[in-house]
Amino acid sequence: QAQLEESGGGAVQPGRSLRLSCATSGFYGMHWVRQAPGKGLEWVAFIENGGGRKTYADFVKGRFTISRDNSKNTLYLEMNNLRTEDTAVYFCARDIWNRGKYYTDIWGQGTLVTVSS
Amino acid sequence: EIVLTQSPDTLSLSPGERATLSCRASQSISSNHLNWYHHKPGQAPRLLLYGASSRATGIPDRFSGSGSGTDFTLTISRLEPEDFAVYYCQHYDSSLPLTFGGGTKVEIK
Repeated sequence: QAQLEESGGGAVQPGRSLRLSCATSGFYGMHWVRQAPGKGLEWVAFIENGGGRKTYADFVKGRFTISRDNSKNTLYLEMNNLRTEDTAVYFCARDIWNRGKYYTDIWGQGTLVTVSS
Repeated sequence: EIVLTQSPDTLSLSPGERATLSCRASQSISSNHLNWYHHKPGQAPRLLLYGASSRATGIPDRFSGSGSGTDFTLTISRLEPEDFAVYYCQHYDSSLPLTFGGGTKVEIK
């Protein structure tokens, strides 16, 4: 079964930037989803397989950018102007459409981002 | 945006018992667009059911799903040790954002 692997997490100060990567396989739409400490799953962003359509959660619009390099099988999340509330484990997840059903079938184990002064 | 409410927050059961988890949507949704996931700390979330009742690849038949409209249920017929985790329902109908319920923790009694 295909696997996803995130990298790039770490500790940063508020207002700084960080870029996450996700090693992918196949030509699929991809999502970023996060989980803050002690909280549930929260969708962050989506990019279609060709990279043309991108959609963001309202709380990251203008700060985060999702992109991909299909020649490198890599998905990215560029995070700027980070806030303490962005502290979370960030997961990448594969998007599937299957005869009218939409879901995210494969996820990575996540990478931890800690925003603190 | 569809809001999903899961109940209970925590379910304390013993191995071998039956677990029934609920997911309620803020408005009627298609059963095609309701999915269930299982998540353990430090691991990747795992897709269990898609389209409310279709089992994902490799998911054992002790997991089943049902429901329509606003009320959906995940049932685990006999809990195995590896089933103790947090369970999330998800609504995804191709329009974004996709949304998750708050989760139900199934813990060992």
